[in-house]
Amino acid sequence: KQEVTQIPAALSVPEGENLVLNCSFTDSAIYNLQWFRQDPGKGLTSLLLIQSSQREQTSGRLNASLDKSSGRSTLYIAASQPGDSATYLCAVRHMDTGRRALTFGSGTRLQVQP
Amino acid sequence: GAGVSQSPRYKVAKRGQDVALRCDPISGHVSLFWYQQALGQGPEFLTYFQNEAQLDKSGLPSDRFFAERPEGSVSTLKIQRTQQEDSAVYLCASSLIPGTVYEQYFGPGTRLTVT
Repeated sequence: KQEVTQIPAALSVPEGENLVLNCSFTDSAIYNLQWFRQDPGKGLTSLLLIQSSQREQTSGRLNASLDKSSGRSTLYIAASQPGDSATYLCAVRHMDTGRRALTFGSGTRLQVQP
Repeated sequence: GAGVSQSPRYKVAKRGQDVALRCDPISGHVSLFWYQQALGQGPEFLTYFQNEAQLDKSGLPSDRFFAERPEGSVSTLKIQRTQQEDSAVYLCASSLIPGTVYEQYFGPGTRLTVT
C-alpha cells in the first residue's frame, strides 16, 4: 500500500527566506506527483504536477523536483511571503490505470512571519 | 469558467441522522472523485466515478456510505446513521480525461460535524 510522508509537519519562517518542503513515498510505481496548497476552510489548489518521466517543474517562485527511484520530491519556495502561509500537500497517483485516486501526505503547515 | 462546487459548505448532524452531500463537477469532466479529510490529515480516497459508472468504491469506510452519479454529472454522497467518527471535510474533485495525463480539480469541501 502506498504511503506518503511529509516533513516537516509544520514550519515557521521569517519573510524572505527560501525554504524546502519534503515528500517521500514508498511505492515508486507512480504515474505523477502533484503539490497542492490548502488554505483554511478552502479546497485544494494545484500548484505543480510532475509526470513520472520528468525531474522538475517550475512555476514562478515555486520549483518541485522528483526522484522517482528514491521515492522523494521536494517543493522549493523562493523568497517566501506572508501570503504563502497555508498547508502544502503532496499527492501521488499510482501507475496502475485502475487506481486513479491520489494518495496524499498529511501536509506541511507553513507560516511565513512578516 | 466555474470550478467544482459543493453544497452545503457546512453541515451539523445529530448522531444517527442521514446526510446528503452534493458535488457539481466542472462541466464536461468525465471523472469524479470523493475524498474524506480528517482534521490535520491529508485527504483519503472514498470513491471514483467515470461518467455514471462507479468504478472504484474501495475507500468507502462502511456500508453506511453510498455515492451516486446517475446522469454522469452531479454526484451525491450519502451517509446513513451518522457517527461521530464521520466528522470530517468531504472533498469532491473532477478531471477531464480518465486514464492518462490529467489533473484533478478540487471543490471547497463540505465540513460535516456529527454531534
